[in-house]
Amino acid sequence: AQSVTQPDIHITVSEGASLELRCNYSYGATPYLFWYVQSPGQGLQLLLKYFSGDTLVQGIKGFEAEFKRSQSSFNLRKPSVHWSDAAEYFCAVVRGYGGATNKLIFGTGTLLAVQP
Amino acid sequence: DAGVTQSPTHLIKTRGQHVTLRCSPISGHKSVSWYQQVLGQGPQFIFQYYEKEERGRGNFPDRFSARQFPNYSSELNVNALLLGDSALYLCASSLRGSNTGELFFGEGSRLTVL
Repeated sequence: AQSVTQPDIHITVSEGASLELRCNYSYGATPYLFWYVQSPGQGLQLLLKYFSGDTLVQGIKGFEAEFKRSQSSFNLRKPSVHWSDAAEYFCAVVRGYGGATNKLIFGTGTLLAVQP
Repeated sequence: DAGVTQSPTHLIKTRGQHVTLRCSPISGHKSVSWYQQVLGQGPQFIFQYYEKEERGRGNFPDRFSARQFPNYSSELNVNALLLGDSALYLCASSLRGSNTGELFFGEGSRLTVL
C-alpha cells in the first residue's frame, strides 16, 4: 500500500539553528513529492515540490528538499530557522507518471517548535 | 485575488444529523478536492471533482457525498454524523485535475459532533 512516513512527531530547535525534517515514502509507481506547512488555524501552504530532474529542489521561505530514490526519502531542510517557522509540516506524495488525479497521500506531520 | 473560501468555518452538530460544507475555488480553477484532517493526523483524501465530474474517491463510507456546480464551487455532504466525523474538513482547488496540478487549500471547516 502507498504510504508516507514522517518519523518525528515533534521537533524543537533553537532559532538560528539548522533544521531537517524526515520523510520516507512507499510507492510502487514513480511518485511526485511535496512538502506543505500548516500554521495554527490555517490551511496548508505548499513549500516545494519534486516532479523530476535535479534532486535538490528549492522552495519558499528558504526551504529546500532532497529526493533520494535509493532511500525512498524526501527530507526537508533549512539552514537557519526563524521563530515564524514554528508550524506543522506535512510530506505528501501523488502518483507520478501516468497519474490522472492530484490525490495526495499525506504523512502524519511533524510539529516544529522554535525556542529563542 | 481571493483564495479558496470555505463555509462555515466552525460548526457543531449532534450524532445522526446531516451537514453540508461549502467551498469556492480560486477563480479559474476547475478542480476541487476535499480532505478530512482528524486531530493529530495528516489530511485524508475524500473526493476530487474536475469539470463537474468525480475524478477520485477515497476510502470513506457512502454517508459522504459531494458535488461540483457549473461555477466550479463544491459541496461536501455528510449524513448520519458519527462522533468520529469530528475533524477539520479542507477544500483544495487546482487549475488542472491531473497530478501536476498544484493544490491550493482553504482554511477549512471545523466540524464537532457531540
